[in-house]
This record gives sequence, structure tokens and C-alpha cells, in this order.
Amino acid sequence: GQQVMQIPQYQHVQEGEDFTTYCNSSTTLSNIQWYKQRPGGHPVFLIQLVKSGEVKKQKRLTFQFGEAKKNSSLHITATQTTDVGTYFCAELSGGYQKVTFGIGTKLQVIP
Amino acid sequence: EPEVTQTPSHQVTQMGQEVILRCVPISNHLYFYWYRQILGQKVEFLVSFYNNEISEKSEIFDDQFSVERPDGSNFTLKIRSTKLEDSAMYFCASRPSGANVLTFGAGSRLTVL
Repeated sequence: GQQVMQIPQYQHVQEGEDFTTYCNSSTTLSNIQWYKQRPGGHPVFLIQLVKSGEVKKQKRLTFQFGEAKKNSSLHITATQTTDVGTYFCAELSGGYQKVTFGIGTKLQVIP
Repeated sequence: EPEVTQTPSHQVTQMGQEVILRCVPISNHLYFYWYRQILGQKVEFLVSFYNNEISEKSEIFDDQFSVERPDGSNFTLKIRSTKLEDSAMYFCASRPSGANVLTFGAGSRLTVL
């Protein structure tokens, strides 16, 4: 099936700096989801993007879906230590809506 | 807020032993899933379950794995004869009809010695 590629795999930032993770697919995605997994925790749904060029915001988080629906990004403005964790993009596929996760970007915020 | 509940939180077993991991999905959810995550790696799809049957499964989900919904509330994952490489965190997830959002449980950590 389709596979989404996610970069970077690791990112260390100073608290207060911005952070962006990117998700790319070789084929058109019907939609894309983003999840956050805190260290030692489980994935927690953040957002779903469906429309071409869609932009959604959640406080300091901005999610974007590319015009061609082949890429997506998550941008965090002014990171805080509470942002630490792994951010996964995920694609839905199949009639039963299987969710396939990307490899994730592990964010470390240095206070 | 409704939760997906998983037990046990941690299980240690000897190679070759059978293991059953249990999940109680959210009560009005109809689609159920098992995922696994080997330490430090990505979350991998194992199987999806709907209307009392497997709807999709991955290559990982071979004959050693089975799922069951024995009583209308529990959703179990059985590994018949565990291998060292089965050591991982196993997550159960569920979702309602008409919504694409998965709610994950806290996971069951399986350690195979």
C-alpha cells in the first residue's frame, strides 16, 4: 500500500524556537491525520486534513495539506517543553479506514 | 472522557508461551484495531476488526496471531507461541462508525525472554 515518508526523524530545538515536520507521499492522499505520542505514552489524535491546500491551527500548532495532496506539514511556533514527543503523520486507506503511520519525528525541546 | 482500556500493562513471558492481551474499546465504537510498536520505532498496523470479523490484516499478523471479541465488550489479541521479536508495545484502538479518528489505549508492553 501507500507509504508516507516523514522528515526529519529527530529534531532538537531550544525552547522558544519553531519546529516543523514534513510528511511526503509519492501518490495522492485522500486525507492525512497527525498524532502525538508523548514519551512512554500512546498516540493521541491531533487533527485530520482532507481538502487540498487546507490549513488548520490549534493554538501554536499549524497543520497544512499540500495543493496536490501529496504532502503535509506540522509547524509549532515557539516550542515549549510540553511539546516534547514524537509526531506522526498517518494516512487512511482501505474501506475500513486502516490508519498507517509514518516513521515519526521525535522532538526534543531543550529548556 | 471515554477511554480504551488495556490489560495487562506489562507482561513478561518465556519464548514459546501463549499470550493474550485484552482490550475494552469505547462502548459505542464499532471498529477495532491492534497496533504494535517496537521500542523506538514506528506504530505498525496489525489488524482491523469489524462486525465480528477481521477486515484487514498486515503481513506481521501471521498464523501465530488471532483476535477475538468473545463477549461484546472485550477485544483480545492472542499470540500462540511467542518469539523474542514479538517484544513490543501493543496498542488497541477503536473508532465509531462515521468518524475516522482512532482512540488508542495506553498499551500493553510485552517482553519475551
